[in-house]
Amino acid sequence: RKEVEQDPGPFNVPEGATVAFNCTYSNSASQSFFWYRQDCRKEPKLLMSVYSSGNEDGRFTAQLNRASQYISLLIRDSKLSDSATYLCVVSTSGGYNKLIFGAGTRLAVHP
Amino acid sequence: GAGVSQTPSNKVTEKGKYVELRCDPISGHTALYWYRQSLGQGPEFLIYFQGTGAADDSGLPNDRFFAVRPEGSVSTLKIQRTERGDSAVYLCASSPGTGDTEAFFGQGTRLTVV
Repeated sequence: RKEVEQDPGPFNVPEGATVAFNCTYSNSASQSFFWYRQDCRKEPKLLMSVYSSGNEDGRFTAQLNRASQYISLLIRDSKLSDSATYLCVVSTSGGYNKLIFGAGTRLAVHP
Repeated sequence: GAGVSQTPSNKVTEKGKYVELRCDPISGHTALYWYRQSLGQGPEFLIYFQGTGAADDSGLPNDRFFAVRPEGSVSTLKIQRTERGDSAVYLCASSPGTGDTEAFFGQGTRLTVV
């Protein structure tokens, strides 16, 4: 079983749609949680950290449920520029050391 | 300022050959990481340096892989006796502190073993 599991998608949505990605992780000792975004043939870039209390950054909302070992990302009012692969990431050592990535969920936003 | 720089951007080598991949971290960043990303997968951790020393090399798949960072800045990932299964994008990242601040990735070296 992979340490971080994500639905690979692709999710094909129209502009303006709301889309939700889910992720589960297997190591209960995980301490830090993130969503990264990766454009085709580019490097991963940090989208946002995820906190137990939930956090929001503009159109993006991330939630963490430690009891269920479940992380989510909600994107509201999708833009064409949101098309990318979204990677769920955890760290057992805390911070950015030794990040464990999921395989990613591909999002395609169409006009 | 300049980001993480990786060279070469692409490398094609024959099975059995030795390759070196170079990473120039962001100036002043003490932490440096190597990851490997195969097609359709997320990046996989290989090794983490804090300064000159390897703080965690638990992700190196076998003894054909080795990495150095002799002066605490530039790092080289070395792969001996390359195999076709080593084909992947090798990503380097750096961060300013001991891992509690964001790590920034370079654009990677795409290694193809034929």
